[in-house]
Amino acid sequence: DSGVTQTPKHLITATGQRVTLRCSPRSGDLSVYWYQQSLDQGLQFLIQYYNGEERAKGNILERFSAQQFPDLHSELNLSSLELGDSALYFCASSFRGGPDEKLFFGSGTQLSVL
Amino acid sequence: GESVGLHLPTLSVQEGDNSIINCAYSNSASDYFIWYKQESGKGPQFIIDIRSNMDKRQGQRVTVLLNKTVKHLSLQIAATQPGDSAVYFCAEEPQTGANNLFFGTGTRLTVIP
Repeated sequence: DSGVTQTPKHLITATGQRVTLRCSPRSGDLSVYWYQQSLDQGLQFLIQYYNGEERAKGNILERFSAQQFPDLHSELNLSSLELGDSALYFCASSFRGGPDEKLFFGSGTQLSVL
Repeated sequence: GESVGLHLPTLSVQEGDNSIINCAYSNSASDYFIWYKQESGKGPQFIIDIRSNMDKRQGQRVTVLLNKTVKHLSLQIAATQPGDSAVYFCAEEPQTGANNLFFGTGTRLTVIP
């Protein structure tokens, strides 16, 4: 168990809908990361937060947004969902979010858009 | 952008044999590399890391080798066990000051009892 908690584990929704994925980092970690894992793209970095502030942005679509709250949990919001958004979404955390820090991953949320 | 790839998508080994998983990276400025293991239904799990000022690092039953000249990374697993069956990813961290990793596509290791 990595200590990173993600909910829900599975999510099934329809195209055009909006969903929210939730992540609680390991105790003591201040930085949260979101990754998308699909069969054809592998693990893609989406966005990183540190202590409530956005630190780095990757291949995140404009339809997607995220935030980190004062209690350090994070939410990833996906809107106007398309079939291609079906994927595993992972959250990871690290202590300060600086270089050379190990990332600890949650078990992921499997999103299926029908 | 950065590109991290793997030579072989699948690898099958006999239990007890040594496994070698290879990875090529394209960003010569990357200075930190990590190997992750992902078992079915779970998130990636850290195995071992190496910084660019090293060419070899050993852990428990695992060794990572880094060849910066040819931008190649390998993971060696000694005495492979059935519990080692998983997908293995290499990842690189560009010198951006942030910790956003770029992952390869992964190699599926199957250990034959």
